[in-house]
Amino acid sequence: DIVVTQSPDSLAVSLGERATINCKSSQSLLYSSNNKNYLAWYQQKAGQSPKLLIYWASTRESGVPDRFSGSGSGTDFTLTISSLQAEDVAVYYCHQYYSIPQMFGQGTKVEIK
Amino acid sequence: EVQLVESGGGLVQPGGSLRLSCAASGFTFSSYAMNWVRQAPGKGLEWVSYITSTSSTISYSDSVKGRFTISRDNAKSSLYLQMNSLRAEDTAVYYCVRETGRPNWGQGTLVTVSS
Repeated sequence: DIVVTQSPDSLAVSLGERATINCKSSQSLLYSSNNKNYLAWYQQKAGQSPKLLIYWASTRESGVPDRFSGSGSGTDFTLTISSLQAEDVAVYYCHQYYSIPQMFGQGTKVEIK
Repeated sequence: EVQLVESGGGLVQPGGSLRLSCAASGFTFSSYAMNWVRQAPGKGLEWVSYITSTSSTISYSDSVKGRFTISRDNAKSSLYLQMNSLRAEDTAVYYCVRETGRPNWGQGTLVTVSS
């Protein structure tokens, strides 16, 4: 099984500052036939279902503000919020969908400092 | 537009059964594998089960193996999860998720197992 480990568990950032969340997988998520990393990032606000932000590690979902970006390849990935806004307070999850069983990171709670 | 609409959740006693459904639209359902994912109150996301487009391959998490059964009806564009021998720890919001490079999620249906 491919395990994903997300860090940190929580993060407090000042408005307008950068927030960085990391996700490390126990095996490569790079599918050689299409050169895509099967890693997604979600935002979940209180009482809501997860919202897809990034798929294929770095492709921003339509309608997602460009302050959200994903990077990385293979086993190490990062979600960056370049300038934190009040509406970005949420829990963020990474998700490996390279193989079954799919697995999720434990979540990172992002708050305003 | 891709839509996934879960239904069938509710309150059930421990040891009871429930059948969840997921109605799909906006894409060719028969071409895609599907998953069920759940989230217990205040907890993280947990993958539950997977089924290929033709139902030829099915997988379950260890926590539900032997109790839950995933199935699909491609003619009806629907995914199902039959849940038997329910336990308190199965209390969660259950989501159906399309298996694709860009995952699509439904809004979820709440299952509460309690006496």
